[in-house]
Amino acid sequence: GEDVEQSLFLSVREGDSSVINCTYTDSSSTYLYWYKQEPGAGLQLLTYIFSNMDMKQDQRLTVLLNKKDKHLSLRIADTQTGDSAIYFCAEQMEYGNKLVFGAGTILRVKS
Amino acid sequence: EPEVTQTPSHQVTQMGQEVILRCVPISNHLYFYWYRQILGQKVEFLVSFYNNEISEKSEIFDDQFSVERPDGSNFTLKIRSTKLEDSAMYFCASSEQWGEAFFGQGTRLTVV
Repeated sequence: GEDVEQSLFLSVREGDSSVINCTYTDSSSTYLYWYKQEPGAGLQLLTYIFSNMDMKQDQRLTVLLNKKDKHLSLRIADTQTGDSAIYFCAEQMEYGNKLVFGAGTILRVKS
Repeated sequence: EPEVTQTPSHQVTQMGQEVILRCVPISNHLYFYWYRQILGQKVEFLVSFYNNEISEKSEIFDDQFSVERPDGSNFTLKIRSTKLEDSAMYFCASSEQWGEAFFGQGTRLTVV
């Protein structure tokens, strides 16, 4: 079945790197995504990776994909207080384009 | 930058009433979606819509729910007779054929 798991909470100091991890079960997923949700706001697309890639870098964000282990991570370099939010991992199914989301990881950045 | 817009931002309705949640997807997108997020829970897929018909729906999307694209720009979600458990944040999203889905800010539905 389709399932995406994430750790619930991560706390880091301002300026440190944050690494948010995600595991998924469906090996036929096409794209994997990271969304950010600030309190009371919608889902902001941060970055995504195609399933045949193993790494993607976009400014402070680095996505690593281990397809064999079905493990996805998001690294945020030089984490800022404005990065405090909930981060959702999502996989896109091969058929139909729907997204299956994890429960979200609360990132708290301490100044 | 183009964005998905949703109205209203917050809707309060009495149990048993019908509600219509409205969305304007990004204009050149072909796929449209509704998701919901019950407070403290995962974002759940409800339905996808392509070429003027439902392409996929989840178990949650029962006969109480319907979607429509009444004109070239709007995409609506109707809940025919709301229940307390329909209280959630409802997100509309749109995408091109392949690739990332862009989400609206959501409509918070409160059923009392």
